[in-house]
Amino acid sequence: GAGVSQTPSNKVTEKGKYVELRCDPISGHTALYWYRQSLGQGPEFLIYFQGTGAADDSGLPNDRFFAVRPEGSVSTLKIQRTERGDSAVYLCASSLTSGTGTDTQYFGPGTRLTVL
Amino acid sequence: TQLLEQSPQFLSIQEGENLTVYCNSSSVFSSLQWYRQEPGEGPVLLVTVVTGGEVKKLKRLTFQFGDARKDSSLHITAAQPGDTGLYLCAGVDTSGTYKYIFGTGTRLKVLA
Repeated sequence: GAGVSQTPSNKVTEKGKYVELRCDPISGHTALYWYRQSLGQGPEFLIYFQGTGAADDSGLPNDRFFAVRPEGSVSTLKIQRTERGDSAVYLCASSLTSGTGTDTQYFGPGTRLTVL
Repeated sequence: TQLLEQSPQFLSIQEGENLTVYCNSSSVFSSLQWYRQEPGEGPVLLVTVVTGGEVKKLKRLTFQFGDARKDSSLHITAAQPGDTGLYLCAGVDTSGTYKYIFGTGTRLKVLA
């Protein structure tokens, strides 16, 4: 594809509901990252995948958050029992390489999650 | 965990003025990256600096990596309204699995 795509672009849900956020990375990119961004702040790391496996999930806030990448391409971020504090923009990025410090991450436009 | 603090947090200037944004840490980074993010979009990579003391130029933007590789600066000459956006620095956390850590961000508004 031309770039990283994320769906939905906006998601409004009620407290306590379950949500899934999808990320389609650039074809051939082995690394995929999820970040959470609050208004005016820098992205906060959540998890990154190298291929199908989670190389680092230390940024997931608690066990309500879970992410998968079963075939090493599309990834889904899943949030159970949503809370108002989960409201933020969730960004996904992919890169051809990872772990070098010079990788170019290509970001999607994000999913804006609002928990009422 | 390594942290990156940016200053200033907000900056509003007139078109044609110069400005500098700073990215500081108490930790050493093997490299630092600068991104720009516009509303409703994801960050876009501007530059990566790798060597201590390195200076890179991208048109009117000049990026410098500190000699000790703990800090970086972004200088914009003759700012234009198109430079408006959120500027972010990012570095690799070498204490763990090389995940990327982003700075706190500098929101720049250039007035015509």
